[in-house]
Amino acid sequence: QKEVEQNSGPLSVPEGAIASLNCTYSDRVSQSFFWYRQYSGKSPELIMSIYSNGDKEDGRFTAQLNKASQYVSLLIRDSQPSDSATYLCAVYGSNYKLTFGKGTLLTVNP
Amino acid sequence: EAGVTQFPSHSVIEKGQTVTLRCDPISGHDNLYWYRRVMGKEIKFLLHFVKESKQDESGMPNNRFLAERTGGTYSTLKVQPAELEDSGVYFCASSRLAGGLAGELFFGEGSRLTVL
Repeated sequence: QKEVEQNSGPLSVPEGAIASLNCTYSDRVSQSFFWYRQYSGKSPELIMSIYSNGDKEDGRFTAQLNKASQYVSLLIRDSQPSDSATYLCAVYGSNYKLTFGKGTLLTVNP
Repeated sequence: EAGVTQFPSHSVIEKGQTVTLRCDPISGHDNLYWYRRVMGKEIKFLLHFVKESKQDESGMPNNRFLAERTGGTYSTLKVQPAELEDSGVYFCASSRLAGGLAGELFFGEGSRLTVL
């Protein structure tokens, strides 16, 4: 089992829709969870961090964490073409390292 | 505030040659990380500096890779001799924070290494 798993996509949504990105992780002791956005050829950029169970909202982005299910998700409301990018789920685990998933490619169609 | 800068952005070398990648972290960031993304795979941890000390180098693939951070400022990652499987994008990241907040990293745009 991979340490951090994401659907590679591509995930395609129409402009204005909700994009839902999912991630599961294997290290039960993990405490910190992050979503990075990476445009093609650019650096990964932190967009959300979440440390406790439940939802965390920041503008159009909502991160959801369920430690019992070892599941973290990112919802993007009112998706815009500028949201088209690869979204990387990252988990800071008991090995004191940040472990990344392969990323999900999101395409928002005008 | 300047971000994390990496040089070169792209390097093409022959198998057996040497390449040195450089990273300038954000000023004041004691924590500096190197990661690598091989095509089709996830971004993988290579090593972590705290100031000039190697905190964790468990992700370094083998002894052909040497990282340094003299004076606790910029860092270099040397690959000598390069092999075909070393091709990939090498990312540098920095952070002021440690512990559980250590996942809040600022990344450079990466150095793409192609070994022929």
